[in-house]
This record gives sequence, structure tokens and C-alpha cells, in this order.
Amino acid sequence: DAGVTQSPTHLIKTRGQQVTLRCSPKSGHDTVSWYQQALGQGPQFIFQYYEEEERQRGNFPDRFSGHQFPNYSSELNVNALLLGDSALYLCASSLYPQETQYFGPGTRLLVL
Amino acid sequence: GQQLNQSPQSMFIQEGEDVSMNCTSSSIFNTWLWYKQDPGEGPVLLIALYKAGELTSNGRLTAQFGITRKDSFLNISASIPSDVGIYFCAGQATGTASKLTFGTGTRLQVTL
Repeated sequence: DAGVTQSPTHLIKTRGQQVTLRCSPKSGHDTVSWYQQALGQGPQFIFQYYEEEERQRGNFPDRFSGHQFPNYSSELNVNALLLGDSALYLCASSLYPQETQYFGPGTRLLVL
Repeated sequence: GQQLNQSPQSMFIQEGEDVSMNCTSSSIFNTWLWYKQDPGEGPVLLIALYKAGELTSNGRLTAQFGITRKDSFLNISASIPSDVGIYFCAGQATGTASKLTFGTGTRLQVTL
């Protein structure tokens, strides 16, 4: 049973650049949520995708956008990167309407 | 963004000891979850609680959903070295696949 996978594992970018992170949900899941985890903090909800649409959004600026594909995989895009965007980006998948979310290993983004 | 209050922030215990940690919120949640995160990895689900007052066990772990729906507790009995990690509580406000609001985390270190 394939779990949640994310790519890449690590990424280094400079301020002002754009980045795309990818997530494949656990087999059988149809909902993908994205979280940002700064060092020493708990994860913060960015947004959630279901049926290829953004269903919920946390308190993040429009520089953060996403997409869900027909195979349920998802992308997180961040434009005009800031130093403060350096974090571990986590993807979690679930099966609508059940609640339990399962997390991937994350992508660690460093913005210089 | 909002984070739930989790205590203690960190704890050092000896192998074989029991551990207790708790999580409180100013908001009501319909679901409480407990995750464990090892360095460089995503959170792994330990226990899910769906009803106020519910007490659920998973091996040496026992968690309770507070009656007020604003708090939850996690106990680990007879700790072992592999219990080392960061434990996060998380709450969900609705019954559908929705965002998780995480606690600030409890770092557990176990000495032999």
C-alpha cells in the first residue's frame, strides 16, 4: 500500500524565485492538504484540494497557490520567495469525507 | 496562525517511566489526533479520537478526548528509547476532511 510521497526531498532557492513542490496521495485517497512547518513549530495549514478545487485555505498570501490533477496528485507553487518561506512543506492525504490525514515525509525548502 | 497550547514543551525521562502530555484549545474541536514526528520526517498518526469523553488505546499509548471538547491528553506507559521524538496534538473543527490545527509540540527524550 503506497503511502504519501513528496518530491523533491530538499530544495534551495534564492529570494524572488518561484518553486513547485509535488505530492502523490496515499493509494485510494482523493483529498490533499498542504502544511508549512517552520523550525521548532507545529505544521500550519496552507490549503486543501478535493475534486481538483481548493476547498479550504489557511492564512497564507496569494503567493501560495496549488493545483490538483485528475489522478489526485497535487502541486504547491510559491512565487516571489521570501527568506521566511524557508520551512518543511508537508503534504497530507485523506479520503473524503473521512477525517484522518496521513502525512508524507515533506520537502525541506531553504531560501537564501 | 493559530496553534494549540501543548505541555510540557519538553521532557527528559528514564526508560520504563510513564509519560503524560496534554493539549488545550480556546476552540471546540470535533476530532482530536495525536501525531509523532521524528527528525526530518513527516508526522505519523498515533491515535484518533472522535467523541467527547472517548478513551482510546494503541499499544502503550492511551489518549482521551476531553469532555469540554477543548482539550486532549496522551499517556505513554513504560517508555522505551524509540519513543524519542516530537509529539503533536491536532484538532479538526468539522466532521469532513478539513484542516488540522496543530499544537506547539512536546519533545520527548528518553534516557537509559
